[in-house]
Amino acid sequence: GAVVSQHPSRVICKSGTSVKIECRSLDFQATTMFWYRQFPKQSLMLMATSNEGSKATYEQGVEKDKFLINHASLTLSTLTVTSAHPEDSSFYICSARVAGGQDTQYFGPGTRLTVL
Amino acid sequence: GNSVTQMEGPVTLSEEAFLTINCTYTATGYPSLFWYVQYPGEGLQLLLKATKADDKGSNKGFEATYRKETTSFHLEKGSVQVSDSAVYFCALSVRLRSNDYKLSFGAGTTVTVRA
Repeated sequence: GAVVSQHPSRVICKSGTSVKIECRSLDFQATTMFWYRQFPKQSLMLMATSNEGSKATYEQGVEKDKFLINHASLTLSTLTVTSAHPEDSSFYICSARVAGGQDTQYFGPGTRLTVL
Repeated sequence: GNSVTQMEGPVTLSEEAFLTINCTYTATGYPSLFWYVQYPGEGLQLLLKATKADDKGSNKGFEATYRKETTSFHLEKGSVQVSDSAVYFCALSVRLRSNDYKLSFGAGTTVTVRA
């Protein structure tokens, strides 16, 4: 149980284009999903917290107009990197928290974004 | 603020050796503590957790005990295998407000086990 999927697993795009990454909780409902960014050989940096049906809460220093987050249902959150640039290349990981007050987060497999 | 400090790697061991990865934390309130494992090219998997002082989390031969007096949550395994080669993250979760939790991660420790 508690499986989270991400799609795509890898994406390569040209500078200036937008890329959408999907995060799905497959066997549970997730009122809260989180988006992280991980640079090579570094820890995870929380970008934003996404609550179903409401606006995402962004961490300090994360541009909300560049990283658009939509949490339209209890099983799906999307992250759109708008007008991507090479410095946006990174490993993006989502996680989901089971509805009902548990504090454990379950992580997706990650999406490797490369912007040329 | 809330923070996690874990042992710097990389750590290289031989198969069947004893593994310890130190983790200490600072937190306001009463955090839950976690160890996550990340295999190459993958996301994080929950390895074990403990929610209150003196709790012991265990899974796949790994153990960690929540020590409030020393603010520590050290990870141990008595006999490692090659398949345990991964990056290990210590993390804490603190309730910010009603039903809202936030994870803070340590920097990660890379473990390589040689046959």
